[in-house]
Amino acid sequence: ELKVEQNPLFLSMQEGKNYTIYCNYSTTSDRLYWYRQDPGKSLESLFVLLSNGAVKQEGRLMASLDTKARLSTLHITAAVHDLSATYFCAVDYPTNAGKSTFGDGTTLTVKP
Amino acid sequence: DTGVSQDPRHKITKRGQNVTFRCDPISEHNRLYWYRQTLGQGPEFLTYFQNEAQLEKSRLLSDRFSAERPKGSFSTLEIQRTEQGDSAMYLCASSPGQLYYGYTFGSGTRLTVV
Repeated sequence: ELKVEQNPLFLSMQEGKNYTIYCNYSTTSDRLYWYRQDPGKSLESLFVLLSNGAVKQEGRLMASLDTKARLSTLHITAAVHDLSATYFCAVDYPTNAGKSTFGDGTTLTVKP
Repeated sequence: DTGVSQDPRHKITKRGQNVTFRCDPISEHNRLYWYRQTLGQGPEFLTYFQNEAQLEKSRLLSDRFSAERPKGSFSTLEIQRTEQGDSAMYLCASSPGQLYYGYTFGSGTRLTVV
């Protein structure tokens, strides 16, 4: 069974600081996703990572994938309040691209 | 096309009643997925369709749950004889055949069973 673990689950940080969210998964896969969810809202797709060493950046967020270590990171640079949200990583089953397993999410609070 | 739409947004029902949710995917997307999310958890996979074919169902989906996607367009998820444990956000997502683009999620239907 594919398991996805995120840490930390809760993160409080000051504006302007940097931090990294980690996503570990238990079974080989070459398809990993990062989503953002605001309270009471649905999920917004942030990044799709498809190969070992993939790195994608959008604004203050940068995601990377190491398939050998079964690890993805979401790095936050110079955090701002608008980044406060819950961030989920999700991994597709290697033999079933239609089925994703999600982590429990990291709730990020950025304080002024 | 404005994205994945779900109806209703909220549903309150009494235990034992049947409920049905609808999802309209992005029109050019041939894959459609249903997930369930409870408070403080990540979404859990329920089932998915490629066109009108239901390709997989989660073990989480008891016999009380059924999903259809007639003609490969919109989909419905029905829960029969609802239980309090069914209270959750039901999310629909769609994607094109090329998964490079990932999934687009709808706003969800929040079900409360009282």
